Amino acid sequence: EAGVAQSPRYKIIEKRQSVAFWCNPISGHATLYWYQQILGQGPKLLIQFQNNGVVDDSQLPKDRFSAERLKGVDSTLKIQPAKLEDSAVYLCASSQGLAEYNEQFFGPGTRLTVL
Amino acid sequence: AQSVTQPDIHITVSEGASLELRCNYSYGATPYLFWYVQSPGQGLQLLLKYFSGDTLVQGIKGFEAEFKRSQSSFNLRKPSVHWSDAAEYFCAVGFDKIIFGKGTRLHILP
Repeated sequence: EAGVAQSPRYKIIEKRQSVAFWCNPISGHATLYWYQQILGQGPKLLIQFQNNGVVDDSQLPKDRFSAERLKGVDSTLKIQPAKLEDSAVYLCASSQGLAEYNEQFFGPGTRLTVL
Repeated sequence: AQSVTQPDIHITVSEGASLELRCNYSYGATPYLFWYVQSPGQGLQLLLKYFSGDTLVQGIKGFEAEFKRSQSSFNLRKPSVHWSDAAEYFCAVGFDKIIFGKGTRLHILP
């Protein structure tokens, strides 16, 4: 079974530029998550989708971050404009359903460096 | 407020020695509890989880964790570590949303 795919793996941009990350979850997984992991910290949930609807985006900085999952499969996370403090690893995860006991499977992440 | 504390940022043990990684949580009720491992350049992998029942939980790769309600703890243990166990370990708690601790980086001495 293929795992969660993310691209690109690495991205370096200058502040005020925009950037987009892509995630392809495990086939059949209805729930998709985007996490931000700053160096030295644990992952922090940015947004959670159930199919193509948003379940939780309470910690998403909506003035600069946006995410979509139009067909309930792939998802993109965008930052526009980027700030220095956005430097982090962005992790995508998926699970079969909404229930917390559904194991989340994580992708390898995209490491973003903002200069 | 809900929180997870992993008091040890780094831990170093010799290969073959036993391991215990500490995790304490603050939550309104007994939450679901998880331990994840993250190897360099890899995503997080679930080691084990506790929802209810037996407070000693067995996981993958020879890991186990014990839930102690009175101490609000969920410590991870392994009787004999291998060099391949060197990684970062995250404790997480939650119900509708998972909150991760800051992680403990495990170093293994040959």
